[in-house]
Amino acid sequence: EPEVTQTPSHQVTQMGQEVILRCVPISNHLYFYWYRQILGQKVEFLVSFYNNEISEKSEIFDDQFSVERPDGSNFTLKIRSTKLEDSAMYFCASSVRRSDTDTQYFGPGTRLTVL
Amino acid sequence: AQKITQTQPGMFVQEKEAVTLDCTYDTSDPSYGLFWYKQPSSGEMIFLIYQGSYDQQNATEGRYSLNFQKARKSANLVISASQLGDSAMYFCAMREAQNTDKLIFGTGTRLQVFP
Repeated sequence: EPEVTQTPSHQVTQMGQEVILRCVPISNHLYFYWYRQILGQKVEFLVSFYNNEISEKSEIFDDQFSVERPDGSNFTLKIRSTKLEDSAMYFCASSVRRSDTDTQYFGPGTRLTVL
Repeated sequence: AQKITQTQPGMFVQEKEAVTLDCTYDTSDPSYGLFWYKQPSSGEMIFLIYQGSYDQQNATEGRYSLNFQKARKSANLVISASQLGDSAMYFCAMREAQNTDKLIFGTGTRLQVFP
């Protein structure tokens, strides 16, 4: 069964450094998402992406964040200058359509630790 | 106001018994989708079941069923014949139809299944 994959599974970085989290969505899916989950808290939406453009973003997704689909398979989240409070699990998700009836399938997550 | 409310931070159930995890939601959108995800200790988010706001029947997927009461705005997950592997965090989520891509998550319920 097709699945969303994410690399790395765990990333440790120093405050102020740039990180790139990578995702390979399910191949026939057209909509891509990033969510984050701070330890012990609920999952929060960051951004959605369709047709090489940001479709929607949350207040969390400020100028230090960016997303890109550099090729036909990868979808990346870049954090330009990491802060301690960026430590979280970051989930990539994808769906076929942009619809309330369409399931978003999540990857296994990347645990980001900022020291 | 919380859009998704899960009032049970933790639940215990004996193996082979059924358990109900509560979820209430708040929306003025007539069209929406409700989703349940499972998050084992390993961290990944696994899609379990979906219910559409216009669906006439409660959704079922194997041992999972959704007790959808639209007038009460509740979408409780029922797990029948619990197994030890069902021990995990369970998140209820909603996606509204109108001009939004994001899933809104509840705070989750930690289910522990004991022998």
